[in-house]
Amino acid sequence: NAGVTQTPKFQVLKTGQSMTLQCAQDMNHNSMYWYRQDPGMGLRLIYYSASEGTTDKGEVPNGYNVSRLNKREFSLRLESAAPSQTSVYFCASSSSTGRNYGYTFGSGTRLTVV
Amino acid sequence: TQLLEQSPQFLSIQEGENLTVYCNSSSVFSSLQWYRQEPGEGPVLLVTVVTGGEVKKLKRLTFQFGDARKDSSLHITAAQPGDTGLYLCAAMGSGTYKYIFGTGTRLKVLA
Repeated sequence: NAGVTQTPKFQVLKTGQSMTLQCAQDMNHNSMYWYRQDPGMGLRLIYYSASEGTTDKGEVPNGYNVSRLNKREFSLRLESAAPSQTSVYFCASSSSTGRNYGYTFGSGTRLTVV
Repeated sequence: TQLLEQSPQFLSIQEGENLTVYCNSSSVFSSLQWYRQEPGEGPVLLVTVVTGGEVKKLKRLTFQFGDARKDSSLHITAAQPGDTGLYLCAAMGSGTYKYIFGTGTRLKVLA
């Protein structure tokens, strides 16, 4: 089973460029999440989608947009990249949003904005 | 904003030693999870605890949720090099449906 697949694995952008990070899960999960991980900051939630057709802001949504394309896919878009968005981005999914449900993470996208 | 503090930040020990890492907050949580993350990979779920005072064991790992549901600990017995990694706790607040993550404890077990 592939689980959660993220593409690309690595990306270098120039300031002001745009790009979309792709995420797909094959576990029939309802909920999907985007996190960023920075040294000393832990994982911070950018956006999440509790179910197909819904999206909500997390802790650090500024500078990002998301699209829940269908139940499997949840993309993250940077419209105008800034050096502060240099980070490792993780997509995750879970069966539901309840407290008994754990997250399955992808292997991440390492993004550098120069 | 609910904050999760993990301690210690870094830990380097010899194979066979025991260790405990902590996850603390001033907030009450409805559930708490522990993850392990290896370099270049995403976090992998180890356990979920939901009841105050709950203790769960996973082979040599023992997880405890505090009675007041504000803190948790992870104890590893006879650590092995394969235990090396970043250990993250994540907690869900009452009335929310999102997990927030601590900053992690980076463990290195030397052979």
